[in-house]
Amino acid sequence: SQKIEQNSEALNIQEGKTATLTCNYTNYSPAYLQWYRQDPGRGPVFLLLIRENEKEKRKERLKVTFDTTLKQSLFHITASQPADSATYLCATRDDKIIFGKGTRLHILP
Amino acid sequence: GAVVSQHPSWVICKSGTSVKIECRSLDFQATTMFWYRQFPKQSLMLMATSNEGSKATYEQGVEKDKFLINHASLTLSTLTVTSAHPEDSSFYICGSGLSRGETQYFGPGTRLLVL
Repeated sequence: SQKIEQNSEALNIQEGKTATLTCNYTNYSPAYLQWYRQDPGRGPVFLLLIRENEKEKRKERLKVTFDTTLKQSLFHITASQPADSATYLCATRDDKIIFGKGTRLHILP
Repeated sequence: GAVVSQHPSWVICKSGTSVKIECRSLDFQATTMFWYRQFPKQSLMLMATSNEGSKATYEQGVEKDKFLINHASLTLSTLTVTSAHPEDSSFYICGSGLSRGETQYFGPGTRLLVL
């Protein structure tokens, strides 16, 4: 069955540095990948979508890459701030929407 | 972006009672809404897909008689947890999309605690 894996359950990054989160997929070839932010006790908020024919997409301090050879998407936050602390989920859709378990990012002041 | 609201935001109930959760799309018409359940430190698990004017499609392992879904209008879907038990305690989230499912907009979630 198709799987999405976010291998890091938690990640601590010093304020001002770049945070990089990883999402790997297996057993299928997604047409696109999405990244969401989820704060505690809240629903996810859509951040970025990247299609399989796009290598990179940017939005302000966020950058997402899609490597179909490695079957991986990387999510970068540059110049990280404590307010960026949250859980970040990657997701895609085959016959149904599949979410990774998420990575809890802590930006340390 | 599109706005989705949920009500209530949290509910505590006794075992055996039924609980209704409402999901509304505030500024768009949602022909399809999705209901998820999320346990602590776990991913969102799709429970069912709710289609306006027709029966919901349930994921494998989700009891349709226990989790009743009604999508009577283009802006409202409801999930009723019937005869709730402590193991139904979870965070329930609804979501919808403007197009064919590429981007989803989620409600703020409902925390259910069954005593």
